[in-house]
Amino acid sequence: GQNIDQPTEMTATEGAIVQINCTYQTSGFNGLFWYQQHAGEAPTFLSYNVLDGLEEKGRFSSFLSRSKGYSYLLLKELQMKDSASYLCAVRDNYGQNFVFGPGTRLSVLP
Amino acid sequence: EADIYQTPRYLVIGTGKKITLECSQTMGHDKMYWYQQDPGMELHLIHYSYGVNSTEKGDLSSESTVSRIRTEHFPLTLESARPSHTSQYLCASSETGGLNYGYTFGSGTRLTVV
Repeated sequence: GQNIDQPTEMTATEGAIVQINCTYQTSGFNGLFWYQQHAGEAPTFLSYNVLDGLEEKGRFSSFLSRSKGYSYLLLKELQMKDSASYLCAVRDNYGQNFVFGPGTRLSVLP
Repeated sequence: EADIYQTPRYLVIGTGKKITLECSQTMGHDKMYWYQQDPGMELHLIHYSYGVNSTEKGDLSSESTVSRIRTEHFPLTLESARPSHTSQYLCASSETGGLNYGYTFGSGTRLTVV
């Protein structure tokens, strides 16, 4: 079966650091992706991990441990515009389709 | 800049009407997808295509149908809309072999059936 878990909601303060966790159990694995989705808008691609370790991209970093079925998205120097849902998605073995997690709704407070 | 387009952006229609949601992409991507997403809820795959004349049903049962006659075009049709079809419909595409890239999503169509 396919199962991806994320916290439903998180709150953080402007300028702070927040870590959004994702655990997955999927029948295959060919990469883990993070997307950002503002309310009423389409998801946009943030990051991609296929090997274990940390990928850094400006204020955003993503970590993967394949043996633990675990990833996190780290957001630094939070800004108000970072208030959005963050979706964790796993691509299947054949690189064809994605399984999306339920998303974590992040609220950044002043 | 290449992109993926969905029309209409918003649609309110009466029960029993036939509607087609349009999706076009200019990136030459072989793979295209339709997702359904209720507000604040997760994405559910309803249809996908790996190329011209290829269409498959996704994980979520849907009364809609799709076609892929041209690479760039992947319309979704509801023969008889019902209030239960009220949702946001997101179209996405991805390139074959581009394993380090995810989907590119369209802006979505927010459908309300009254």
